[in-house]
Amino acid sequence: AQSVAQPEDQVNVAEGNPLTVKCTYSVSGNPYLFWYVQYPNRGLQFLLKYITGDNLVKGSYGFEAEFNKSQTSFHLKKPSALVSDSALYFCAVRGYGGSQGNLIFGKGTKLSVKP
Amino acid sequence: SQTIHQWPATLVQPVGSPLSLECTVEGTSNPNLYWYRQAAGRGLQLLFYSVGIGQISSEVPQNLSASRPQDRQFILSSKKLLLSDSGFYLCAWSHPGVQPQHFGDGTRLSIL
Repeated sequence: AQSVAQPEDQVNVAEGNPLTVKCTYSVSGNPYLFWYVQYPNRGLQFLLKYITGDNLVKGSYGFEAEFNKSQTSFHLKKPSALVSDSALYFCAVRGYGGSQGNLIFGKGTKLSVKP
Repeated sequence: SQTIHQWPATLVQPVGSPLSLECTVEGTSNPNLYWYRQAAGRGLQLLFYSVGIGQISSEVPQNLSASRPQDRQFILSSKKLLLSDSGFYLCAWSHPGVQPQHFGDGTRLSIL
């Protein structure tokens, strides 16, 4: 069965420091991976995706993610955090089999960036 | 460019009342459409998805139903709401294939 794990419920970072939000996955085929951000009382916004190619994927708002096949991870990163980056972050993987085409989301990680 | 609209933004309904939430997409044709429920600001639960008019797949058995009467219109309904139906309901669309989903701003449903 396909699954996504976000091991941290919350990540706290000081403004200006680098940030990492962790994600690991389990799929039965090629991994197609996505990151989304959600601000309070809003829908999810697409940040970036990995389909194939370079392991380092660049996305919106200065975010990037590193795909690591051996560790089955797809961690979200940003070199210098902003207070405005504080939000809920979701990792997702495309499903296979009966869920083909659908996204399977992690439980989310709350990022808090303090000034 | 494509846009997705959901309404209403908030809704308070009594237990046992009916429900109709609407979602429309503009700027694209034949999108895949999705309804999710998000409880307590955390994980998303896929409720229904549709790959075409009249084609609805249900992921979770419950007292909710979905319909797609037009290509870019997706409706979530219930005949009798339960307290457990409270939550934040999100509609999303995507192009077919390995494409990201794009979400509306959601409807916060409170059942009293």
